[in-house]
Amino acid sequence: EAGVAQSPRYKIIEKRQSVAFWCNPISGHATLYWYQQILGQGPKLLIQFQNNGVVDDSQLPKDRFSAERLKGVDSTLKIQPAKLEDSAVYLCASMSGVSTDTQYFGPGTRLTVL
Amino acid sequence: AQSVAQPEDQVNVAEGNPLTVKCTYSVSGNPYLFWYVQYPNRGLQFLLKYITGDNLVKGSYGFEAEFNKSQTSFHLKKPSALVSDSALYFCAVRASLQGGKLIFGQGTELSVKP
Repeated sequence: EAGVAQSPRYKIIEKRQSVAFWCNPISGHATLYWYQQILGQGPKLLIQFQNNGVVDDSQLPKDRFSAERLKGVDSTLKIQPAKLEDSAVYLCASMSGVSTDTQYFGPGTRLTVL
Repeated sequence: AQSVAQPEDQVNVAEGNPLTVKCTYSVSGNPYLFWYVQYPNRGLQFLLKYITGDNLVKGSYGFEAEFNKSQTSFHLKKPSALVSDSALYFCAVRASLQGGKLIFGQGTELSVKP
């Protein structure tokens, strides 16, 4: 079974530029998450989708971050404009949708903002 | 509010010795508890979880964890450490009545020396 796919793996941009990350979840997984992991910290949820609807985006900085999950499969996370403090690893995870199930994580995208 | 604490930033053990990585949690309702491992430049890999039932759960690569409700702890253990176990370990909790968001601890760096 294929795991969660993410691209790109690494991205370096200047502050105030925009960037987009892509995630393809495990086939059949209804729930998709984007987490931000700052160096030295545990991952923190940015947004959770159930199929193509948003369940929780309370921690998403909506003035600069946006995310979508068209057709309830792939998802894209965008930052515009980027700030220095956005330097982090962005992790995508998916889960079947049952609350007792396990979240499976992709390899992450490491973003460096200069 | 939900929270997870990993009181040790780093744990050092000699190969062949038993290891313990500590985790305590705070959550309303019944907790779902998870351990993940992260190798450099990799995403999070699932090790094991406690949902209900037996307090001792066994997971991947010989790891196990013991759920202690009275002490609100979920310590990760392995009887005999390997050098290849050296990595960053994260404990996470999800409140059973909430959506799938995981709350992570800050991580514990495990170093196993030959």
